Amino acid sequence: AQSVTQPDIHITVSEGASLELRCNYSYGATPYLFWYVQSPGQGLQLLLKYFSGDTLVQGIKGFEAEFKRSQSSFNLRKPSVHWSDAAEYFCAVGPNNAGNMLTFGGGTRLMVKP
Amino acid sequence: GAGVSQSPRYKVAKRGQDVALRCDPISGHVSLFWYQQALGQGPEFLTYFQNEAQLDKSGLPSDRFFAERPEGSVSTLKIQRTQQEDSAVYLCASSSGGAGANVLTFGAGSRLTVL
Repeated sequence: AQSVTQPDIHITVSEGASLELRCNYSYGATPYLFWYVQSPGQGLQLLLKYFSGDTLVQGIKGFEAEFKRSQSSFNLRKPSVHWSDAAEYFCAVGPNNAGNMLTFGGGTRLMVKP
Repeated sequence: GAGVSQSPRYKVAKRGQDVALRCDPISGHVSLFWYQQALGQGPEFLTYFQNEAQLDKSGLPSDRFFAERPEGSVSTLKIQRTQQEDSAVYLCASSSGGAGANVLTFGAGSRLTVL
């Protein structure tokens, strides 16, 4: 069975500082990997995804993530955080075949200090 | 439509009442998913449709939960005899199917509170 672990429940960073959110997954083969962001009262918005190819993927809002097979990780990064980035971030894994469901991590709540 | 639409956005039910939550996916999207998100948790899979066929319902927590998508577009999640532990946000997502099947677009969710 697939699973996702986000070790940090809460993270606080200062505006303008760099950010890294950790994600570790368990899956028998190379999975599809995703990061979603959820603002209060909103649905989940896709930030970026990894299907295959280049292990460093770029997403929206200046986010990037790197797939490291040897570490079973897919950490999310941003070089300079903006106050509007405060939200809940979810990593998700999906099997590498079409039409099946995603498994989500427990989420990391990001707070941004002015 | 332009996005995934869910209604009602908020629902308060007394314990024992039946509720119905509606999802209107993006027009033409073949796949439709329901997820349950408890407070402070990540979403958890409930059920999956491809067109009108319910291909996976392994995540439904009990036989009080029932989902349908009779014409392959709008879906309804029904919860019978609601219990307090059913309180959560219910998220619907859709995808186009095929190679992009795993790129889900989510609705804003329906927040259910059972008193």
